[in-house]
Amino acid sequence: QVQLVESGGGVVQPGRSLRLTCAVSGFTSNTYAMHWVRQAPGKGLEWVAVIWHDGTEQHYADSVKGRFTISRDNSSDALYLQMNSLRAEDTAIYYCARDKSVWVFGVPYFYYGLDVWGQGTTVTVSS
Amino acid sequence: QSALTQPASVSGSPGQSITISCTGTSSDVGSSNLVSWYQHHPGKAPKLMIYEVTKRPSGVSNRFSGSKSGNTASLTISGLQAEDEADYYCCSYASISALIFGGGTKVTVL
Repeated sequence: QVQLVESGGGVVQPGRSLRLTCAVSGFTSNTYAMHWVRQAPGKGLEWVAVIWHDGTEQHYADSVKGRFTISRDNSSDALYLQMNSLRAEDTAIYYCARDKSVWVFGVPYFYYGLDVWGQGTTVTVSS
Repeated sequence: QSALTQPASVSGSPGQSITISCTGTSSDVGSSNLVSWYQHHPGKAPKLMIYEVTKRPSGVSNRFSGSKSGNTASLTISGLQAEDEADYYCCSYASISALIFGGGTKVTVL
């Protein structure tokens, strides 16, 4: 079945790096944009980043721009989030999510909604 | 990128209808039909309930409906049930190729 499984979370010191992985199964990943969304303790959902179906474009929230990099390997059905210069405020559950991408005459359109989510992986930034 | 504005909490009795508002700006909700709503039970994955302002994914109860007027989108839950108790988030495309979430609304079934 359609499934997203995140991994790579853990406890890391401020200023260090961490890479999250999202394993995709049950659908053809190269036809969907993919997102990372996070939820800090006691807070709401916060969009982090998006990558287009073919990896040609990435966009980021201001809070992570310049520190985080989203990437994907469609041949391995995997999505990644490289997180550098981590701060205490990056502490959160990180979810990967599939964009409900729409194709019209061979042209993809994104941002229609996040229709498949993983269970999340927890990142704690603390000294 | 400021979060969309939602009420912190909404409550209702079983069988009643409740509406959650989501207020943005002309740069997001006001200029986009790409507004979605998510149900989130703590400890579980969020679930898409409404997309493109009014559409329901397959499998979502028709008790959930969405609408939009100007810069404010709304989610209505009719025939409120105990299992509807959860956090609800609105989300909108913003003109800078980003998504913006609302702060979330805790729905309590009395």
